[in-house]
Amino acid sequence: DVKVTQSSRYLVKRTGEKVFLECVQDMDHENMFWYRQDPGLGLRLIYFSYDVKMKEKGDIPEGYSVSREKKERFSLILESASTNQTSMYLCASSPKPHTGELFFGEGSRLTVL
Amino acid sequence: GENVEQHPSTLSVQEGDSAVIKCTYSDSASNYFPWYKQELGKRPQLIIDIRSNVGEKKDQRIAVTLNKTAKHFSLHITETQPEDSAVYFCAAPGGNTDKLIFGTGTRLQVFP
Repeated sequence: DVKVTQSSRYLVKRTGEKVFLECVQDMDHENMFWYRQDPGLGLRLIYFSYDVKMKEKGDIPEGYSVSREKKERFSLILESASTNQTSMYLCASSPKPHTGELFFGEGSRLTVL
Repeated sequence: GENVEQHPSTLSVQEGDSAVIKCTYSDSASNYFPWYKQELGKRPQLIIDIRSNVGEKKDQRIAVTLNKTAKHFSLHITETQPEDSAVYFCAAPGGNTDKLIFGTGTRLQVFP
């Protein structure tokens, strides 16, 4: 079974703090993604990576950065957390060539106070 | 880039009735249209997909249809059961990359 593991299920941070969300997959997938899920807005792509050290902006990259130093790990970084970044964050991975299916982690619910 | 619209946002049906969720997309080059189901507190999971070389695909009680001319695709669930209650997302490829662009989701409630 494909396993995508997100390091924290629940986080509470203060405005201005630096936040790291970690994601690890064990299926040797080339592609990894970070989505943000908000009620009524669906899943919005923040960043994705198709190879180690490669990254591309998604639809809402502002306020976020990412790091892919190893194939299995994709980190989402909030340099200075703000209250409007309170959300559910979902990591996903997929193989190359792309079969079309994304494998999601359980999600990390971040609250910024 | 690709834009995916999904309707309705909520759908309530009686057990045994059918449910239909519709999506439209903007990029005529898109060739793959998956549907994901997210149960409460769980991760989204792929339930069915359709590629642009077919017009319909069925898997037991669920089916997807695709109209390339109109650029819309639909999910049909027949004989709904309470365990079908979930949020359903449609998606389409985002350009010539492996990313997926998702619709805003439909919360389906099936009442016994």
